Amino acid sequence: EAGVVQSPRYKIIEKKQPVAFWCNPISGHNTLYWYRQNLGQGPELLIRYENEEAVDDSQLPKDRFSAERLKGVDSTLKIQPAELGDSAVYLCASGLAQGVTDTQYFGPGTRLTVL
Amino acid sequence: RKEVEQDPGPFNVPEGATVAFNCTYSNSASQSFFWYRQDCRKEPKLLMSVYSSGNEDGRFTAQLNRASQYISLLIRDSKLSDSATYLCVVNGKGATNKLIFGTGTLLAVQP
Repeated sequence: EAGVVQSPRYKIIEKKQPVAFWCNPISGHNTLYWYRQNLGQGPELLIRYENEEAVDDSQLPKDRFSAERLKGVDSTLKIQPAELGDSAVYLCASGLAQGVTDTQYFGPGTRLTVL
Repeated sequence: RKEVEQDPGPFNVPEGATVAFNCTYSNSASQSFFWYRQDCRKEPKLLMSVYSSGNEDGRFTAQLNRASQYISLLIRDSKLSDSATYLCVVNGKGATNKLIFGTGTLLAVQP
């Protein structure tokens, strides 16, 4: 079974430039998550989707970050404009919501460097 | 206070040793608990869920103490391949499916 696919795997941009990340979840999974992981830290949730609906975006910096999940499958996360502090690994995860908590499966992440 | 706290380590242990990691969480209403493993420059992967009764998977044993809001992971007979960062994970305040990750504990198993 194919896992969560993310692209690009690496991205280097200059500050103030826009950047976008793409995620294709595991087939059949209805929940999708975007996390940011800084060096030496655990992942921090940015946004959580159930199907097409963003059910928790309380930690998404909405002045510069946006996300969408069209048709309840693929998702994109965008930053515009990027700042130096946005350098991190952006992880996408998907799950099949059933019961109290679904098991989340992570993609390989996109490592963003902002210069 | 952080919602999930772990000793960052590193824990340097010889092959064959037994090592234990601890984690505390602040939300007494949390219902779900996990240990994830993350290899260097890789994504986190679920190692095991943690149940109130305690659970074991081969050389790995996880325990939960709700009264003390404390989770542990015990690794017996450590292998070189166990070297990784171990993330303690708890579902967040007021919401299922919202996972809060600790900063992770780095384990280095030495030959």
